[in-house]
Amino acid sequence: AQSVTQLDSQVPVFEEAPVELRCNYSSSVSVYLFWYVQYPNQGLQLLLKYLSGSTLVKGINGFEAEFNKSQTSFHLRKPSVHISDTAEYFCAVQRGFSGGYNKLIFGAGTRLAVHP
Amino acid sequence: SAVISQKPSRDICQRGTSLTIQCQVDSQVTMMFWYRQQPGQSLTLIATANQGSEATYESGFVIDKFPISRPNLTFSTLTVSNMSPEDSSIYLCSVGEYFGPGTRLLVL
Repeated sequence: AQSVTQLDSQVPVFEEAPVELRCNYSSSVSVYLFWYVQYPNQGLQLLLKYLSGSTLVKGINGFEAEFNKSQTSFHLRKPSVHISDTAEYFCAVQRGFSGGYNKLIFGAGTRLAVHP
Repeated sequence: SAVISQKPSRDICQRGTSLTIQCQVDSQVTMMFWYRQQPGQSLTLIATANQGSEATYESGFVIDKFPISRPNLTFSTLTVSNMSPEDSSIYLCSVGEYFGPGTRLLVL
């Protein structure tokens, strides 16, 4: 079975500062990894995903994440945040599976609060 | 990729009633998934809906409370039965990494 731990429930940061949201996973099989963002009172939006290949994945809105297999981590980073990045961020893991769709297991979420 | 729509987008219901949520996918898929997001919480998988077989429920969720139908490869419904205020949540349909917009349910 897979599990996801998001190490910080809340991350306050000042505008234009860098940010890292931490995510660790546990799995005995190969996995795919995802980061989603949820703005207040809105649905889920996929930021980026790691399926295979390069361990550095670039996503939308200037976010990137690095897959580290030895540390079973998939931390999300942004070099300079904006007020508009204030939202809830979810890390998720999916059992690696070719040719179909599978369920996702979500972490508890990290609330990013960007202050002026 | 998959485009997913859900109906209704939101509803306010009285306790003791039931609500059926519909999920439509723009392509044929074997498995569809239903999640619940309680207020201020993360997403929790309710069940996996396979076409042509009974849904598979996660621990803590039962068919009597959340009956699911999967009549074809592009459609599924989730019913929230005998609702109580604790059922107030967002219910999301998904196909792998793709999610519908969710159904916001408030039970009074």
